[in-house]
Amino acid sequence: DSGVTQTPKHLITATGQRVTLRCSPRSGDLSVYWYQQSLDQGLQFLIQYYNGEERAKGNILERFSAQQFPDLHSELNLSSLELGDSALYFCASSAPRQGPYNSPLHFGNGTRLTVT
Amino acid sequence: GQQVMQIPQYQHVQEGEDFTTYCNSSTTLSNIQWYKQRPGGHPVFLIQLVKSGEVKKQKRLTFQFGEAKKNSSLHITATQTTDVGTYFCAGHGNKLVFGAGTILRVKS
Repeated sequence: DSGVTQTPKHLITATGQRVTLRCSPRSGDLSVYWYQQSLDQGLQFLIQYYNGEERAKGNILERFSAQQFPDLHSELNLSSLELGDSALYFCASSAPRQGPYNSPLHFGNGTRLTVT
Repeated sequence: GQQVMQIPQYQHVQEGEDFTTYCNSSTTLSNIQWYKQRPGGHPVFLIQLVKSGEVKKQKRLTFQFGEAKKNSSLHITATQTTDVGTYFCAGHGNKLVFGAGTILRVKS
């Protein structure tokens, strides 16, 4: 158990709809990352938050948005869904960096989104 | 921008054979991390390399960081069926960038 909680585990919705994915980071972790993984594909970085502030942005579509709340949980909002948005969405969290060592990412179990 | 290339994309080996996956970065890295994702699972952190030329071992797994800190490799000796999964490298330059991963299949 990584300590990162993602809900829901599965989500099936129709094209054009909007969904919200939720992530609770490990206790003490300030950074939250969102990744998209399509079938047998790599991890596409979407966005990173650190202590409530956006830290880095990847290939996140304009239809997607995210935020990190004061209690450090994060939500990823996907709107105007298309068939191609079907994927596994991972959230990961990490502790603050210590010296030359970047803290490892701890991944949640993911939310599998199916758009029909 | 910073890119991390990982090869091969797939590797199918007979149980007991060795396996190696390679990562190359377009920029010098401050450190590199390796993750393993079992089929149906989530990526799990394996190790981090920080120093130029660093070599670390975890049982049958050997991790290397190149002298120029732009490349890295993961070598598994005598693969077992429990080694199946996707192995990702992730390089820290000015940001963390994951390689595309190498899918390892092991035939018993």
